[in-house]
Amino acid sequence: TQLLEQSPQFLSIQEGENLTVYCNSSSVFSSLQWYRQEPGEGPVLLVTVVTGGEVKKLKRLTFQFGDARKDSSLHITAAQPGDTGLYLCAGAYTNAGKSTFGDGTTLTVKP
Amino acid sequence: KAGVTQTPRYLIKTRGQQVTLSCSPISGHRSVSWYQQTPGQGLQFLFEYFSETQRNKGNFPGRFSGRQFSNSRSEMNVSTLELGDSALYLCASSRQGLNTGELFFGEGSRLTVL
Repeated sequence: TQLLEQSPQFLSIQEGENLTVYCNSSSVFSSLQWYRQEPGEGPVLLVTVVTGGEVKKLKRLTFQFGDARKDSSLHITAAQPGDTGLYLCAGAYTNAGKSTFGDGTTLTVKP
Repeated sequence: KAGVTQTPRYLIKTRGQQVTLSCSPISGHRSVSWYQQTPGQGLQFLFEYFSETQRNKGNFPGRFSGRQFSNSRSEMNVSTLELGDSALYLCASSRQGLNTGELFFGEGSRLTVL
């Protein structure tokens, strides 16, 4: 059973464009993380959201946690080639020691 | 502060062999978890260790096993390798106790089974 669904699966855009990636869950998680992974590397943590309705900004990246804590979005403003990578959302439960990952969104930003 | 270190980075094995992968967590992190990443299945949870005890286990066959040492370093072992075991094996450490779910990954061990 896939608990986290990400969309779109693939996204190819031109430098300077804006984009939004979605992460939808059938469950409520204690917290949700977003990671970015580049080829040949491990995922790198970008942000953690915990409170329903929470919005966090990381330079040109804006992360939002849904009010019901079952969905999240990642918005990138004025995308750059350096943003290219696999974006993963993951849900975690308190004290569970385990995260459930979505299948990821592969983003390609063309110069 | 050193990150999570995984060895080896790349390895090639043949069917039926066994393999051991190593992971050194970030200093002070006591929880170590392992994930398998494949193009078709994404990141799948294998198991998690905390203070030398396996606390959680994913839905993988018994050929996949692991352990954690007193210094928090961890190893995972796959016996009787199958072609489908070819994957990137990722180790992650976390500061259990803060309950944030945040994982810090190593660069992974790329296993190819021929």
